[in-house]
Amino acid sequence: DTEVTQTPKHLVMGMTNKKSLKCEQHMGHRAMYWYKQKAKKPPELMFVYSYEKLSINESVPSRFSPECPNSSLLNLHLHALQPEDSALYLCASSRGQTGSNEKLFFGSGTQLSVL
Amino acid sequence: GDSVTQMEGPVTLSEEAFLTINCTYTATGYPSLFWYVQYPGEGLQLLLKATKADDKGSNKGFEATYRKETTSFHLEKGSVQVSDSAVYFCALSGNTNAGKSTFGDGTTLTVKP
Repeated sequence: DTEVTQTPKHLVMGMTNKKSLKCEQHMGHRAMYWYKQKAKKPPELMFVYSYEKLSINESVPSRFSPECPNSSLLNLHLHALQPEDSALYLCASSRGQTGSNEKLFFGSGTQLSVL
Repeated sequence: GDSVTQMEGPVTLSEEAFLTINCTYTATGYPSLFWYVQYPGEGLQLLLKATKADDKGSNKGFEATYRKETTSFHLEKGSVQVSDSAVYFCALSGNTNAGKSTFGDGTTLTVKP
């Protein structure tokens, strides 16, 4: 199994809603990532978990709250988002933290629209 | 800091044409270099990689050679197909900035029959 599975594929939410994005991998990877991607732009790193501990937070607003319940699962909790947060949210994993030789495995993403 | 510069797109080619997408980088140390491809409505997939100078990565007819002297990693394919239409991202991952991959802005390729 070389897949990273993300749910839901599409999400529409209001600015007062609370929702969660889910990501799962069964490749035994110990690093997991959240990226945000706007249309026609490269992915922007948000968070990195390494061995289930948050190792990088790229100064993301607190309305985004990541959680790593175990080595296979990664969640992104959303609350009080703004319309400008509408984007494709990508989850990725790698064997360890990206270093000199680590490639990223990406999920298909959740297309989020904030109304 | 690290950076990746890709040729500006979009690129439109006819089927069976030769493809080159230029990529140059700036990094400290000895990074690994990658090409990722993103098809419409999907996430990124690794296309090929190279981990040291003069390495050639190849996959599905695509090739790229890690050129340290010119700090480049240009993507080439001898004969493109309509199914190659996608966005291509050049990226690097260096051991001086663990956890962070640096991506180029992406190049949109459209192949017409």
